[in-house]
Amino acid sequence: IAGITQAPTSQILAAGRRMTLRCTQDMRHNAMYWYRQDLGLGLRLIHYSNTAGTTGKGEVPDGYSVSRANTDDFPLTLASAVPSQTSVYFCASSLKPGGPDTQYFGPGTRLTVL
Amino acid sequence: GQNIDQPTEMTATEGAIVQINCTYQTSGFNGLFWYQQHAGEAPTFLSYNVLDGLEEKGRFSSFLSRSKGYSYLLLKELQMKDSASYLCAVRDKDYKLSFGAGTTVTVRA
Repeated sequence: IAGITQAPTSQILAAGRRMTLRCTQDMRHNAMYWYRQDLGLGLRLIHYSNTAGTTGKGEVPDGYSVSRANTDDFPLTLASAVPSQTSVYFCASSLKPGGPDTQYFGPGTRLTVL
Repeated sequence: GQNIDQPTEMTATEGAIVQINCTYQTSGFNGLFWYQQHAGEAPTFLSYNVLDGLEEKGRFSSFLSRSKGYSYLLLKELQMKDSASYLCAVRDKDYKLSFGAGTTVTVRA
């Protein structure tokens, strides 16, 4: 059982380039999330999806977009990367948004924008 | 929105007990989670509280007081492998999680 996977593991990107971070889960979870983690700031929610076909904005959505065409995949796109988007990005999923169900996190993507 | 505070760092000796406090202010409380994160790895779930009181899971316990906006994570019989960052997260009425910056616990022999 793979759980939740992310690709790439790490990436160095030139500013202004477009980049898509991939996230796939095989747990048939309804809800999926994208976070960024920066030193001293903790995890901050970028975008989320409570079910396939719907998405919502989190705390720091500017410069990022997402889509949720099916249950398993939740890609995050940086349309034109900027150095402030250098961070570690975590994708997470949960069976449903509420209740005691925890969020399960992928291994993360370390992104550096130069 | 949420405002979540927890200490930045704590150090304790192997075999000891450490208590990590978390205070929060929220516009709509819908549960509190604690996660453990080792350096370079993803966060992993430790505990969940939605009602006041203590939840015990082996060496780890978590307490919640909703009226005080307060939780703590208690780590007993500390082991070297417990050296990690511990994240307090509050879920709001829209089911979104907000995280504190994390508490780095260092266990010394």
